[in-house]
Amino acid sequence: EVQLLESGGGLVQPGGSLRLSCVASGFTFSSYAMSWVRQAPGKGMEWVSSINFSGSNTHYADSEKGRFTISRDNSRNTLYLQMNSLGAEDTARYFCTKSTAFSSGWHSDCWGQGTLVTVSS
Amino acid sequence: EVVMTQSPATLSVSPGERATLSCRSSQTITKLAWYQHKPGQAPRLLIYGTSTRATGIPARFSGSGSGTEFTLTIGSLQSEDFAVYFCQQYNSWPLTFGGGTKVEIK
Repeated sequence: EVQLLESGGGLVQPGGSLRLSCVASGFTFSSYAMSWVRQAPGKGMEWVSSINFSGSNTHYADSEKGRFTISRDNSRNTLYLQMNSLGAEDTARYFCTKSTAFSSGWHSDCWGQGTLVTVSS
Repeated sequence: EVVMTQSPATLSVSPGERATLSCRSSQTITKLAWYQHKPGQAPRLLIYGTSTRATGIPARFSGSGSGTEFTLTIGSLQSEDFAVYFCQQYNSWPLTFGGGTKVEIK
């Protein structure tokens, strides 16, 4: 069974940093692109970032460029999202998703349950 | 950026009835997916490529459309189908989602 388990969320002060992790199981992690998608309270889904199977190619939403860094460790079956300079607008549940292809830019056929990030003083 | 607009925001339907959900894109796209999301659960892929059902998705779910107008139809609503449904375009960067349609029990 394909599973994605996010962790690393929590309460952080404005301007602070967090690193989210997503441990994957049930499939060959190193063969698929992965993404982070977030949902702010009461809002719709918002794509954050994607990374291809090897980690050599990444994409970011404009609002996250320069602040967030997506990476992966294929030896640990783990996806990461380093988030810096956090603001209230980053408060959301962050979902890890698995792509259906090795390159990014496709739909996601598996999602985790998400980890909640709250930015507040 | 391709803006995705879903309507209605809320759809009240009786069990056994058909539900029709709309998703409109601001530009012509060819790659569209639909997802189902229940509170506290991971979203689930229903449809990709506009009309292809994902593995294990019942036949009562169907997707259609082209250009900028797309539809998700649930043929006969079951109790487990009451949820939020959202569309996503993966035609171009940035990937974008619709705001969602909540299907509730009438």
